[in-house]
Amino acid sequence: GNSVTQMEGPVTLSEEAFLTINCTYTATGYPSLFWYVQYPGEGLQLLLKATKADDKGSNKGFEATYRKETTSFHLEKGSVQVSDSAVYFCALSDLSGTNAGKSTFGDGTTLTVKP
Amino acid sequence: EAGVTQFPSHSVIEKGQTVTLRCDPISGHDNLYWYRRVMGKEIKFLLHFVKESKQDESGMPNNRFLAERTGGTYSTLKVQPAELEDSGVYFCASSQHWTGKGEQYFGPGTRLTVT
Repeated sequence: GNSVTQMEGPVTLSEEAFLTINCTYTATGYPSLFWYVQYPGEGLQLLLKATKADDKGSNKGFEATYRKETTSFHLEKGSVQVSDSAVYFCALSDLSGTNAGKSTFGDGTTLTVKP
Repeated sequence: EAGVTQFPSHSVIEKGQTVTLRCDPISGHDNLYWYRRVMGKEIKFLLHFVKESKQDESGMPNNRFLAERTGGTYSTLKVQPAELEDSGVYFCASSQHWTGKGEQYFGPGTRLTVT
């Protein structure tokens, strides 16, 4: 079956530091890949996505590139802000076979950015 | 356009009681999904409706959980009787159709605490 493995947290950074959150996946088909973010007290929001190999998703300064050869979708940001403090989830959605239509998530990585 | 809404936002019940969670998807979205995050672990798929039909309920943990989507609009998830291990955050998501992109829109979640 499908699975997503995320870098374990929590992660604590100083403001303006570089962020990387690693994500690797296993899928039987050709999944779309996502990063979702959950800010304190709020629901899940889509941060960025990529639907095929070598696609780069980007939003709010965050980027992730769909790497089929390494089955990875690492999240990066060049300079984090205090407001980026949240829980980040890597996820995939695969339309093939019995997995059709549902998303598979990683455990989530809690990021805290200190001023 | 209103997003996915869930009610209640929080629920605290005693073991053995019954709780019903409600999800209103984005208008016109045929696909509705329920997910759960327990104990800070990954968000796990519970089930998937296409209109009023259950497309996939492979993630439902046991027969204490009953999901319905009468008329293909809002959905309810009933837990009866609730157990301690049912505590967690229950997310609902909806999508318009299987475009191959896999994007789902999530609600804010219902935090369930069973004491």
